[in-house]
This record gives sequence, C-alpha cells and structure tokens, in this order.
Amino acid sequence: QAVLTQPPSVSGAPGQRVTISCTGTSSNIGAGYDVYWYQQLPGTAPKVLIFGNSDRPSGVPDRFFGSKSGTSASLAITGLQVEDEADYYCQSFDGSLSGSLVFGGGTKLSVL
Amino acid sequence: QLLLQESGPGLVEPSETLSLTCTVSGGSISGSPYYWAWIRQSPGKGLEWIGSIYSSGITYSNPSLKSRITISEDTSKNQFSLTLGSVTASDTAVYFCARHLRVTASFDDWGQGTLVTVSS
Repeated sequence: QAVLTQPPSVSGAPGQRVTISCTGTSSNIGAGYDVYWYQQLPGTAPKVLIFGNSDRPSGVPDRFFGSKSGTSASLAITGLQVEDEADYYCQSFDGSLSGSLVFGGGTKLSVL
Repeated sequence: QLLLQESGPGLVEPSETLSLTCTVSGGSISGSPYYWAWIRQSPGKGLEWIGSIYSSGITYSNPSLKSRITISEDTSKNQFSLTLGSVTASDTAVYFCARHLRVTASFDDWGQGTLVTVSS
C-alpha cells in the first residue's frame, strides 16, 4: 500500500489534456514537503519530470505542469503525444516516525 | 556525466542475504554533498525507497525495512552497497541505485536497475 495515492490509470487522445492526482496526508504533502513527479518508460529507470512541486528540469517539455494544494498534488499534461504513454509516479517526504521518502503507487497513462 | 551501475547476484535463496553494489563513475561519492540511495520496484508494482547514505557515512532507512538492511560505502572504489537480510519472495524486485541532493529531495540520477529474484 503506497503512502501517496494515485489513480491506477488515466487515458486521453492525442492533443488532449489529462491530469494525474497524488493525494497525501498532513505528515507528508500537507506538512509542506515538496512533491516530485517521475516518468517511467517500460524497462527504464524513472526520470524526473517535475521538482519542487512545479519546476521542470531542462529538457522537459512545457506541456508538463505540476501543482500542489493542501495535502494533494497534480500533474497535468497538455497536448498529449503518443510518446507520453508511460507510468507516472509522485514522490514526497513523510515526516512521521523516523522520516521516509515516499512514492505514490503509480499511474499508467494510455494515449488512445 | 554521472553514471551509476548496479551489480550483484540475480538469484538469492529465501532466508539468505541479498547483497548489491552500486559503482559510480563521473563523480566522486567521497566528500560530495549528495545522498546515495537504493530504491526497488517489485514486478508490476510501484517504487519503494529502501535507504540512503550520506558522504560522511550517515544512513537513513525506510522504517519498514530498517531492521534488515545495511547501507555502506567504499570511497576507495567509489561504490556504495546494500545488504538485505532474511529475504523472502516479496523482496523480488528490480533494485535501482540513485543520487539525490537532499534527504527530502528527488532522485535525479539513476542506475539502470538490476533484477533480483528470491527463489530456491
């Protein structure tokens, strides 16, 4: 059971906009810890898409948007492209107990 | 360019100890401001942080695995290692090594991952 909750799957047609949610609690996202988003293509390691809740590393297209509010965060992808089909994970830090880096369960994006 | 490469046995018997090493090239783990981490991904499942080590040898571990893991570094070889004891089938996963700048930060650089299967 992942600490952060994501929908198992989302889908959209090329050119459309989709949003992936990431729900946490008052000990992680709600405590003010930053949220990060990763894209994982089949058979490869995850790659950072969003850091610090809403910033994009160089090379990440501006079609990817991150936001955070309260105990939740979201990743929006506009102008869907076939190559966006992948697994997406959110990550944050949980300050309860001894502290732990935590991930969402992942969301499979299908581009129809 | 920083490169991380995992190595170790691909098959471990139940109740035995899993040992993996991450060799870092293109940057030094000694005296760097970075944390060096282990993350795993069970087949068809999500990501799980195992633990991290800082350049001074300080370690941080996932509370759910803390009693079974040891993370260490060998600065002379520019490597860091993971041992996970008393393994069961549920420890079967792809194990990644990675680097992050702060204990709460994202994992910015990853190895390609290595599959470890726990089976007799």
